[in-house]
Amino acid sequence: DGGITQSPKYLFRKEGQNVTLSCEQNLNHDAMYWYRQDPGQGLRLIYYSQIVNDFQKGDIAEGYSVSREKKESFPLTVTSAQKNPTAFYLCASKGLVQGVGEQFFGPGTRLTVL
Amino acid sequence: EDKVVQSPLSLVVHEGDTVTLNCSYEVTNFRSLLWYKQEKKAPTFLFMLTSSGIEKKSGRLSSILDKKELSSILNITATQTGDSAIYLCAVGNFGNEKLTFGTGTRLTIIP
Repeated sequence: DGGITQSPKYLFRKEGQNVTLSCEQNLNHDAMYWYRQDPGQGLRLIYYSQIVNDFQKGDIAEGYSVSREKKESFPLTVTSAQKNPTAFYLCASKGLVQGVGEQFFGPGTRLTVL
Repeated sequence: EDKVVQSPLSLVVHEGDTVTLNCSYEVTNFRSLLWYKQEKKAPTFLFMLTSSGIEKKSGRLSSILDKKELSSILNITATQTGDSAIYLCAVGNFGNEKLTFGTGTRLTIIP
């Protein structure tokens, strides 16, 4: 089955720790995205990547880092510099970088900072 | 800065009612407007509207794009409890690969 997987489903972190959220897709999509969702605020873009070894900051990149070493993988690291990391994190991908098309979403990771 | 506003923020109706959700936008170089349904986790795609496709319909759901008013509506007729979800509107523009999302409308259908 083709799709996007995210792991873990739930993640608990102590203050001051870095954590990495996994996102993998087997849709052969070029573009991948990370969003953060807080109650009442919709989806906000953290980082996105249109091609391997290249990525751009979104609207709320501070305190986060990403890498895109493989086409199918786009991990997100939440660093200790992120002041309020508790949120629901969604990964998405899109087929053609320059084409009109929808983004497909993974099931999400809920991160809680203790 | 691109902006997408959805209204109402929440809506509670009885099963069988018809609902209309609104989305207005301010973006440079508009390319497309997308509607998603989010029940518990991953948003699922409903419709994409562009200048060449301003009206879409699938079963009880339909959507129209008004490029003059910079807005879109999502209609759901004969609502069912399975329609309860958050409905997200997003807009894409030419020049980058980003979508700007609204805050969503939380729809609750009472049996």
